[in-house]
Amino acid sequence: SIVLTQPPSVSVAPGQTATITCGGGNIENYNVHWYQQRPGQAPVLVVYDDSDRPSGIPERFSGSNSGNTATLTITRVEAGDEADFYCQIWDSSGDVVIFGGGTKLTVL
Amino acid sequence: QLQLQESGPGLVKPSETLPLTCAVSGGSIRSSPYYWGWIRQPPGKGLEWIAFNDYTGRTFYNPSLKSRVTISADTSKNHFSLNLSSMTAADAAIYYCARRTINWRFDYWGQGMVVSVSS
Repeated sequence: SIVLTQPPSVSVAPGQTATITCGGGNIENYNVHWYQQRPGQAPVLVVYDDSDRPSGIPERFSGSNSGNTATLTITRVEAGDEADFYCQIWDSSGDVVIFGGGTKLTVL
Repeated sequence: QLQLQESGPGLVKPSETLPLTCAVSGGSIRSSPYYWGWIRQPPGKGLEWIAFNDYTGRTFYNPSLKSRVTISADTSKNHFSLNLSSMTAADAAIYYCARRTINWRFDYWGQGMVVSVSS
């Protein structure tokens, strides 16, 4: 099965843009979903199907997926965005859910 | 607004079975195209899916846990359950129930249930 690789940590100053990557072989062939998990809380879906946003998620959150890398981009980062972020796919070849290892976003 | 709420023992003994229930309100577990199931998170670690099924019983399992997992849905009570047998310290985690929708995204989650394993 495909393995999803995320950087353990990303740091960004308030107001700047955070980019979190999710690498995997030919990941562009999968629908990638992203979750934000603030400390002590359950994960929240912030981007689905590579680039769509659920209702209530700010436009500052966006996603893309090409080649071997999916990317979550957060513009105009705020202190409240500090959280762990996870990418996730469904691998139909093995009927398994796969999560990336997670990226801790720190707002400096 | 759909809500999911886990319940069960917060502490189980090694070798015993963990029983968890997820009560669903604000929607029916008989609705399509939804699946209902469980994801866990060991302390300080990432997310691991356990299993999901729909109300007809069609089930998908994490292969690494399949031999120890039983999940079921009770449509009369609008809740679904997890039994994880032969618990060990490695199974200590926060257990989340969640709804799976199209393209296997998880759009609603419970608040999580902390489960410890100790004699």
